[in-house]
Order: sequence, then structure tokens, then C-alpha cells
Amino acid sequence: GAVVSQHPSRVICKSGTSVKIECRSLDFQATTMFWYRQFPKQSLMLMATSNEGSKATYEQGVEKDKFLINHASLTLSTLTVTSAHPEDSSFYICSAPPGTGGQETQYFGPGTRLLVL
Amino acid sequence: EDQVTQSPEALRLQEGESSSLNCSYTVSGLRGLFWYRQDPGKGPEFLFTLYSAGEEKEKERLKATLTKKESFLHITAPKPEDSATYLCAVQAIETSGSRLTFGEGTQLTVNP
Repeated sequence: GAVVSQHPSRVICKSGTSVKIECRSLDFQATTMFWYRQFPKQSLMLMATSNEGSKATYEQGVEKDKFLINHASLTLSTLTVTSAHPEDSSFYICSAPPGTGGQETQYFGPGTRLLVL
Repeated sequence: EDQVTQSPEALRLQEGESSSLNCSYTVSGLRGLFWYRQDPGKGPEFLFTLYSAGEEKEKERLKATLTKKESFLHITAPKPEDSATYLCAVQAIETSGSRLTFGEGTQLTVNP
């Protein structure tokens, strides 16, 4: 299957700072990537759809100015949590489908655990 | 609005005790139904994709089936290493790209 990586795997930061999380597709190109967050014992909640070369599409209730997404190439999307607060502490996971649309399977990264103190 | 409901929320089995997990869905037009396995602290791992009613797929001790309203993940003679949360997700025809709607998951524990 396709491989998706994330970096860092864990990050601890102080309240008010910004944190950048990278998502890379290692063996395929992805015009679209997805960002999810997951709270303990809950399922994945889609935050936004990252589109290569254009603006990201955010889900209702997700602040686009707080969660900045950049999809600069066909293999890299970044999520920046700006002015992080303790309530932003969560497990952030990205996914990517190989190809450009249709019945593709999404492959997930290993996730990034963010703890804001 | 697409909806996915998984049951049970949690399931405890003895090693070798076969069972099934359920995923009920409502979607205006199904493009695909996906099963993933998620271990604690890790991203979901892809298991199966089902596209049409009547389709079945197997992988080792797992078998996924699909009807027009639900999917089952059958686990035959499970082992402790099958312990994980199993997630079901649907992709609707009218959604752009490959967007998925996830269920809440079934947490499976297999005791030796």
C-alpha cells in the first residue's frame, strides 16, 4: 500500500506558540490531502481538505486562521496550529489518496500528538 | 447528510471466538465503504474497500461484506494481536475528491 509519513510524531509546546505539522506522501503524488483530529476514545473528525496549488477547504466550525494549511507540492501538505492553546491538544492525522479523484483508498499517516501546556 | 453507525462500541472475545462487527450507513449514493484498523496512538491502517452490495473481501482472519444498508467485518478465530479499534467509513458519490465519513469505531479486545 501507499505510504504517508508525518513529522513530528509528538510535540509539546507552550500556550501561544505556533506548531507546524508536515504530511508527506512517500511513494505517490497526491493532489488532495486530508487533515483530521482525534480526541481520546473518539473517531476521526475531518478538519480540512488540502488542495495542491489552491486554498484548503475547511469543515464547518474549523477556524481557517487558526489552522493554516499549505499544500505546496504534490507530496507535501503542512498544518500550522497558530497561537496554540491547551484545548488544541489532540491527535492530528493526515491522509492522502493516490490519484486525482474517484474511488481511491485514503492512506493515513501515523499521526502527530500535540500537547499544549 | 451521510451517517455511519458502528456496533457494538466495544467487544471482548476469547481467543478463537469468532464474531462480527456491524457498520450501518446512510448515504445518498455510495461510492465506496472502507474498513480500517487503528492501534492506540497510531494512524488508521487500511483493510478493505467495498464498492457494491454483495461484494466480499478477505484478508487472513478478516472478511468484509456489504449490503445496501450495512457492512459486516467478520473475524474468524481471532488472536490477541487482532485487538484494535476497527473503523468504518463511507465515501459518497456526490462528494468531491475522496472525502470520508467515519463511524465511531468498535474497540475489539481479544483475550488469550
